Amino acid sequence: EPEVTQTPSHQVTQMGQEVILRCVPISNHLYFYWYRQILGQKVEFLVSFYNNEISEKSEIFDDQFSVERPDGSNFTLKIRSTKLEDSAMYFCASRFGTGDYGYTFGSGTRLTVV
Amino acid sequence: TQLLEQSPQFLSIQEGENLTVYCNSSSVFSSLQWYRQEPGEGPVLLVTVVTGGEVKKLKRLTFQFGDARKDSSLHITAAQPGDTGLYLCAGAHGSSNTGKLIFGQGTTLQVKP
Repeated sequence: EPEVTQTPSHQVTQMGQEVILRCVPISNHLYFYWYRQILGQKVEFLVSFYNNEISEKSEIFDDQFSVERPDGSNFTLKIRSTKLEDSAMYFCASRFGTGDYGYTFGSGTRLTVV
Repeated sequence: TQLLEQSPQFLSIQEGENLTVYCNSSSVFSSLQWYRQEPGEGPVLLVTVVTGGEVKKLKRLTFQFGDARKDSSLHITAAQPGDTGLYLCAGAHGSSNTGKLIFGQGTTLQVKP
């Protein structure tokens, strides 16, 4: 069964450093998302991406965050200057279409900012 | 602010019992999805319900979408230890080009043999 692949599975970084989280969505999917889950809290929407541009972003997704789909296969989330409160599981998701098309989530990247 | 409230948050039952998990909101959603999440993994889609009043069955799991598309339930018949895990409901809202999901806080189910 097709999968969404995320790398790395775990990233430890120092506060203030830049990190790039990588995702390879399912190849024929058209809609791409990043979500995060702080330990013990709800899964929260960060950003959606369609037709090579951001279609919606949450209040969490401030100027420190950016997304790219540089080569038609990878989908990356960059955090420019990490803060302690950015520590969380970050999930990439993709889906083929809207309506009742299901989402496929990756296994996540656990980001730890120290 | 759109919220999805799941209840109960924790449920511990014996093998063979039935259970129902509820997901409620004051907002209308275009669709509602149920996921199961294992520790350290991403959510895995179980079902999507789209039409108000819709009922879907997946083996021993029955999912229902409320008539007003504001609430949903997951009913498990004759629970087994393999059903143990975290169950999440998530509502889809927004324009057709976003479809962002609003997640509930989850229900942790433990089924004891």
